[in-house]
Amino acid sequence: NAGVTQTPKFRVLKTGQSMTLLCAQDMNHEYMYWYRQDPGMGLRLIHYSVGEGTTAKGEVPDGYNVSRLKKQNFLLGLESAAPSQTSVYFCASRDGYNEQFFGPGTRLTVL
Amino acid sequence: AQSVSQHNHHVILSEAASLELGCNYSYGGTVNLFWYVQYPGQHLQLLLKYFSGDPLVKGIKGFEAEFIKSKFSFNLRKPSVQWSDTAEYFCAVIFLSGTYKYIFGTGTRLKVLA
Repeated sequence: NAGVTQTPKFRVLKTGQSMTLLCAQDMNHEYMYWYRQDPGMGLRLIHYSVGEGTTAKGEVPDGYNVSRLKKQNFLLGLESAAPSQTSVYFCASRDGYNEQFFGPGTRLTVL
Repeated sequence: AQSVSQHNHHVILSEAASLELGCNYSYGGTVNLFWYVQYPGQHLQLLLKYFSGDPLVKGIKGFEAEFIKSKFSFNLRKPSVQWSDTAEYFCAVIFLSGTYKYIFGTGTRLKVLA
């Protein structure tokens, strides 16, 4: 089992560029999450999904879009990147009322 | 609103000192409780969890936590810390009623001095 994987691991964008972060899990989990982590601010939930074809907003959704077309994949899109979106992005998944399993993270820098 | 609080943001200890990190949650009925650890440059990993039964739970690397229902608390403890315990620690709660939200605390950064 690979668990939760994220692509890419690192990325540098210029302001206004777009990109998509891919999260994949092979544990057949229903729930998937996208978080951003910034120094001193803990984890902040961007969007989440409770199953294939569903998405919902978290606490900091502005500037991001998501899609969950397949159960194992959860995509996070930035349509027009801004320097404020420089962060480390973590994807996670879980099943039932259990722990979340985290991916290794994507470090994004927006210049 | 349902919430999770970690009151210690930064903790500095010497090796062999005892550790206790606080975690409190707002009242919300039945909960499942978790502690995660994030070593520098890595992702969050589960330390331990509590669903029901014995309120004293043991996790990996010598960590344990005690659930005190009357205080809505789930404090993390370790009798003797090591330099390798330097990390950030997150408490998390899933509220098993209403919104079924899964909420993380803001984290406690632990530095252990050799």
